Amino acid sequence: GAVVSQHPSRVICKSGTSVKIECRSLDFQATTMFWYRQFPKQSLMLMATSNEGSKATYEQGVEKDKFLINHASLTLSTLTVTSAHPEDSSFYICSAKVTGGGEKLFFGSGTQLSVL
Amino acid sequence: GENVEQHPSTLSVQEGDSAVIKCTYSDSASNYFPWYKQELGKRPQLIIDIRSNVGEKKDQRIAVTLNKTAKHFSLHITETQPEDSAVYFCAASTGQAGTALIFGKGTTLSVSS
Repeated sequence: GAVVSQHPSRVICKSGTSVKIECRSLDFQATTMFWYRQFPKQSLMLMATSNEGSKATYEQGVEKDKFLINHASLTLSTLTVTSAHPEDSSFYICSAKVTGGGEKLFFGSGTQLSVL
Repeated sequence: GENVEQHPSTLSVQEGDSAVIKCTYSDSASNYFPWYKQELGKRPQLIIDIRSNVGEKKDQRIAVTLNKTAKHFSLHITETQPEDSAVYFCAASTGQAGTALIFGKGTTLSVSS
């Protein structure tokens, strides 16, 4: 199946700093990528839909100025958590569909963010 | 928008027993229903999926059924094994380009030997 690479896998940062998470589709093109957030023992909550070459679409309640998404190419989307605070600590996971390849969603390995 | 309800939240079975997890969805336009298995700290792995033009699909010990009229679908695992222990998520989407999967809250399955 298609491979989605996500980095870093784990990051610890101080409150107030910004953290960038990268999501790459390694062997396919992804016009659209999706960013999810998962708290411990909870479900995957859709944060935003990232579209190559255009602005991301954010879900209700997700601050677009806090969670900056850039999808500059067909294989790379980035999520930047700006001015991170302890409540932003969570598991962030990206996913992608193969362009023209149907509905299957392939997930990155996730990033565990801990804000001190 | 789509809303997916999943039950039960936890399920404990003995090895060899069957396990059933049920989900309902709200958007009648949804036509793609995958199931994912997630182990602690790892990415969700697709284990089986079904499209709305099919009522049932089976892959070895795993099967999924879909009732479009009632807007519910279920995951059936037979002859459970300890390695089946994980969190299982159902999801739904309209399948259109650019649309995301909406997930249920998950079911923690524990299989004891």
